[in-house]
Amino acid sequence: DAKTTQPTSMDCAEGRAANLPCNHSTISGNEYVYWYRQIHSQGPQYIIHGLKNNETNEMASLIITEDRKSSTLILPHATLRDTAVYYCIVGQNNAGNMLTFGGGTRLMVKP
Amino acid sequence: DTGVSQDPRHKITKRGQNVTFRCDPISEHNRLYWYRQTLGQGPEFLTYFQNEAQLEKSRLLSDRFSAERPKGSFSTLEIQRTEQGDSAMYLCASSLGGGVYEQYFGPGTRLTVT
Repeated sequence: DAKTTQPTSMDCAEGRAANLPCNHSTISGNEYVYWYRQIHSQGPQYIIHGLKNNETNEMASLIITEDRKSSTLILPHATLRDTAVYYCIVGQNNAGNMLTFGGGTRLMVKP
Repeated sequence: DTGVSQDPRHKITKRGQNVTFRCDPISEHNRLYWYRQTLGQGPEFLTYFQNEAQLEKSRLLSDRFSAERPKGSFSTLEIQRTEQGDSAMYLCASSLGGGVYEQYFGPGTRLTVT
């Protein structure tokens, strides 16, 4: 699976958009980009995934560059409850998909 | 709550003892995964089941670790002869299959080996 690079930490003001970047320059053509987050003392939570088109759901938007070498997770109106570690993961979307978590980005939403 | 559940939530054991953790996946999910997470790190994949078949177990950390899913529903993870280095959070996840591969995680079992 391709490796990802994320900033170690970021701050965001409550109510503002949080934009979390991820680099995955070695991604291959059949690999998807997944985002999960982990709130303190809880298990990871699936947020969104995509292949090459931008995706949006009730939690977030995922913007993938045309060359697919990087992506951005956007939380449009961050709340204090969005404070968590956000993991960008690249992998094949198939049975037995073992998620390879890196260090993630620790997002702190501040009032 | 119909999410993934894990039992116990916390376990303290002495070095050398055996421990067993249980995971109950979301009922219609036929895939079940185990991960381990040490402090400050992301989760690390251990093993995976599709129904009752264990299809990937090469990432289990040693032969002291074993997992079962006897009837394709709940799963157990056993660690024999625990060591202090086994102290970690053990996470279970499940996914639906049939082209839907997002994994849904339980709250984890925190193991402390003294």
